[in-house]
Amino acid sequence: AQSVAQPEDQVNVAEGNPLTVKCTYSVSGNPYLFWYVQYPNRGLQFLLKYITGDNLVKGSYGFEAEFNKSQTSFHLKKPSALVSDSALYFCAGSGGYQKVTFGTGTKLQVIP
Amino acid sequence: GAGVSQSPRYKVAKRGQDVALRCDPISGHVSLFWYQQALGQGPEFLTYFQNEAQLDKSGLPSDRFFAERPEGSVSTLKIQRTQQEDSAVYLCASSPKREGPYNEQFFGPGTRLTVL
Repeated sequence: AQSVAQPEDQVNVAEGNPLTVKCTYSVSGNPYLFWYVQYPNRGLQFLLKYITGDNLVKGSYGFEAEFNKSQTSFHLKKPSALVSDSALYFCAGSGGYQKVTFGTGTKLQVIP
Repeated sequence: GAGVSQSPRYKVAKRGQDVALRCDPISGHVSLFWYQQALGQGPEFLTYFQNEAQLDKSGLPSDRFFAERPEGSVSTLKIQRTQQEDSAVYLCASSPKREGPYNEQFFGPGTRLTVL
């Protein structure tokens, strides 16, 4: 069975500092990986995805994610955090033509 | 344009009642998904439609859960004889492409179901 793990329930970072939100996956076949963000009282919003190609994927709002096949990781990164980035972030993945599995989410708190 | 809409936004049901949750996907979107999100958890897959065909219903937790999308647009998730463990936020998502699991999904705001 496929799985997605987000080892940190919460990540705190100072405004202006780089941020990383961790994600590891276990899928059979080629992985299809996603990051979504959930703001309070709003639906999940797509940030970026990895299908094939470059290991560094760029997405919305200045976010990027690094795909590492050997470590089965897909960490979300941003060079300089904004207070407005504070939200709940979900990693998701699928292997082949299978349902998408979501992680449990990481709350990002950017401190002014 | 309009995004994915869900109704009602909030539903309170007494244990044993039947409920119906509606999803209006983005117009023209081929793929439609239903998820269940418990408090503090990530969305859990329930079922997947490609147009009117239900291609995967492996995530439905019991035969009390039933979903349909008869004309390939609006979808309804029905829960019969609701139980307290059914309390959760039910999310609907749509995708413009056939290969739904490969592509980004557009999520609705969810319906929060509380079963008393």
